[in-house]
Order: sequence, then structure tokens, then C-alpha cells
Amino acid sequence: DTEVTQTPKHLVMGMTNKKSLKCEQHMGHRAMYWYKQKAKKPPELMFVYSYEKLSINESVPSRFSPECPNSSLLNLHLHALQPEDSALYLCASSPSWTGGLNSPLHFGNGTRLTVT
Amino acid sequence: QKEVEQNSGPLSVPEGAIASLNCTYSDRGSQSFFWYRQYSGKSPELIMFIYSNGDKEDGRFTAQLNKASQYVSLLIRDSQPSDSATYLCAVILLTGGGNKLTFGTGTQLKVEL
Repeated sequence: DTEVTQTPKHLVMGMTNKKSLKCEQHMGHRAMYWYKQKAKKPPELMFVYSYEKLSINESVPSRFSPECPNSSLLNLHLHALQPEDSALYLCASSPSWTGGLNSPLHFGNGTRLTVT
Repeated sequence: QKEVEQNSGPLSVPEGAIASLNCTYSDRGSQSFFWYRQYSGKSPELIMFIYSNGDKEDGRFTAQLNKASQYVSLLIRDSQPSDSATYLCAVILLTGGGNKLTFGTGTQLKVEL
């Protein structure tokens, strides 16, 4: 069982819908991440929050909007997505953003998103 | 040249054999190296990490790091069918900043009965 919980597990949405992905961790980690993974490809970093502040945005389109309401929660708001955005969206956390080996990433189980 | 390279496989080994998975990286200043296992449709699971040259053993798994040659490998002894998965090598690149993991494309391992 993972200590990073993501909901929902599956999501199907139309291109005009607005939806949100949620991620929660109670390990006291201060860094949280969103990754996107297409089939047979490695995870690609989208956003990093450190101490609830956005530290990294990997040039992600504005139709993806992250939010970190507190140190335990991370959301990803979705609006006007395209079919090519269909992927597995992974949330991860680590004790800190700069800890290196002392701060390995732990992934949640992911949300399988399908955009129709 | 890709920043982190792995042979995509599939690598097929018989049950009980040693599986050897390799990874090379481009940034000579990289300090931290991770191996994740990912079953189909599931999220990556951390198996091991290493930062010093040499070997690090954990149960049936051994990670090997050679910074001079810029490669890191994962050995799985007594391979079991349950080890069949994609193994992702991940590196914290010196140029990446923070805990920005750069993943290789993964090697698919198949352990056959």
C-alpha cells in the first residue's frame, strides 16, 4: 500500500469539462510533485511544490492548474483538455525538494485519465 | 544523447537466474541514483538507491554504481515471475536542480517459468 493517496483512480472527461485530481500524504513531506506518464514512456515531471510554494513548472499548458492548499494536499485542476492529455497522472512526495538521496520520491497509485 | 539511457528490452531470463539491468547517464556530476519497479498499469515503486561507487545489496537486489564510466546497474538474483515488470532508472542530474528526477525509458523484464 502506498502512503500517497490519489483520487479518483479513473477519470473520463470531455474536452469541455472541468475536473480535479487530488493527492494526499500524511508523512510530513514538504515537497509534492505531479508527473504525467504516457503508455510505455517514463514519468515526466509537470510541477513541484516545496513548502506549499510552486518551485517548478515544466512549461505545462495552462489547461493544467496545480494547487497546494496545505502541506498534505495537492490538487491538479483540469480544464479544456485534449485527447492527447489522456495519461496516467502520478502524484509523489518527498521529505524535501533538495534532499537528494535523503529525500527519495514516493509515488501514489495514480489517476488514469481519459479525455474524450 | 539522452540524459538517462536504458535498453527497453524485453529482457527475458529463466526463473532462478540473475537478471542484469543497465543504465547510463550523461551528467558526470550526478550524485544520486534510483531504481524503481513499475508493474503494468501501476505506479513506480522505489526499490533501491545508491550514491557511492561500488555495490549496495538489499535482499535479492544489488545496485552497482561506476561514476567513472557513468553507469548504474541493478542485479536481481534468483529471479521470480513476480519480478516481471518495467525497471526505471532515475538520476538526479546536477543541472536539474533539487530533487528533479530524470527517468530512463525503462527496461521491461520478463521472468519465464
